Amino acid sequence: AQKVTQAQTEISVVEKEDVTLDCVYETRDTTYYLFWYKQPPSGELVFLIRRNSFDEQNEISGRYSWNFQKSTSSFNFTITASQVVDSAVYFCALSGYTGRRALTFGSGTRLQVQP
Amino acid sequence: EPEVTQTPSHQVTQMGQEVILRCVPISNHLYFYWYRQILGQKVEFLVSFYNNEISEKSEIFDDRFSVERPDGSNFTLKIRSTKLEDSAMYFCASSLDRDSGANVLTFGAGSRLTVL
Repeated sequence: AQKVTQAQTEISVVEKEDVTLDCVYETRDTTYYLFWYKQPPSGELVFLIRRNSFDEQNEISGRYSWNFQKSTSSFNFTITASQVVDSAVYFCALSGYTGRRALTFGSGTRLQVQP
Repeated sequence: EPEVTQTPSHQVTQMGQEVILRCVPISNHLYFYWYRQILGQKVEFLVSFYNNEISEKSEIFDDRFSVERPDGSNFTLKIRSTKLEDSAMYFCASSLDRDSGANVLTFGAGSRLTVL
């Protein structure tokens, strides 16, 4: 069975602080995909990144960076110099590469960035 | 940018009634999905649909639930005999291609269902 754990329920930071959102996953699949989605107050789910399990290179996109460590089954997300517009709920998710392709979501981390 | 559109944005219904939630996926996408999110909780998979049939479904997707792609553009979720616990935000999603490994789901803005 697949499982995604986001232990941080809520994080509050002050604008311009860096913040890391943790994600730990469990799967029996040898190949799989990991995702981060953002849910702003308006409610939609916005895709941020997809990572496949055989590519452990970290990725940076502007103020966002992702650290994938297969050895610890973690896929952490860092926002550098946070801004008020980053305030949202962030979901980590996992899917199989073949077979079951449905996304298994974590419970989400609510990030509040204070001005 | 192409988007997934959902209607209605909010539906209120009495327990026991039937509801239909509608979605227009991105036009060249081949896989279609419904997920739901009970208020304040995680997003949960309901069903995936490909080539006019269900490819996967979860335990939540019991025999009160059904999906249909009636006309090649719309993708609907029907819930019969609604229960209070069906109250949730229902998200439709679509993705381009399973075998290429793309599997990036584009979600709609959601339809909030309130069962009274």
